[in-house]
Amino acid sequence: DGGITQSPKYLFRKEGQNVTLSCEQNLNHDAMYWYRQDPGQGLRLIYYSQIVNDFQKGDIAEGYSVSREKKESFPLTVTSAQKNPTAFYLCASSGGTSGSTDTQYFGPGTRLTVL
Amino acid sequence: RKEVEQDPGPFNVPEGATVAFNCTYSNSASQSFFWYRQDCRKEPKLLMSVYSSGNEDGRFTAQLNRASQYISLLIRDSKLSDSATYLCVVNDGDYKLSFGAGTTVTVRA
Repeated sequence: DGGITQSPKYLFRKEGQNVTLSCEQNLNHDAMYWYRQDPGQGLRLIYYSQIVNDFQKGDIAEGYSVSREKKESFPLTVTSAQKNPTAFYLCASSGGTSGSTDTQYFGPGTRLTVL
Repeated sequence: RKEVEQDPGPFNVPEGATVAFNCTYSNSASQSFFWYRQDCRKEPKLLMSVYSSGNEDGRFTAQLNRASQYISLLIRDSKLSDSATYLCVVNDGDYKLSFGAGTTVTVRA
């Protein structure tokens, strides 16, 4: 089954801790993205990567970091510098053989709560 | 001004009714447009793409008006399963998508 997986589904973090959210895709997509969704707001772009070993900041990158060492994987670290990290985090991918280059497909998301 | 604006609703309609709602976007150079459907606490799923003046897929019709910079979505013969939040998404080019906050539709029996 081709798709995008994210883990964990739910994550609880204490203030001051760094946490890493996993995102894996087997769609052979070149581009991958991280968004956060807050109630009543549209998705906001955190980071994106168009190719392995390269990534760019999105609109709200402060307090987050990413890596893209493999085409299939794009983990997101939420650092203690992120002031309001409680949100629904969505990973997406686009490009490759599964569709047009600008159609993005989403993973099931990780719901992060800071205690 | 937000890049993509949607009426949040909710639109409460009976089964079998037609419901339509719009989305406006601010960037006149936007390249392509999408409607995604999002169920409560789930990820967005692509409903349809809108590349030219419009697109139809079964009971769903999307129209694009570039002059007035809006996209509409019309749902005919509403089903209970159509209850969801519909996200308007605009591609400004270079991998960047702008998302509306969504329009909530509730179909009642």
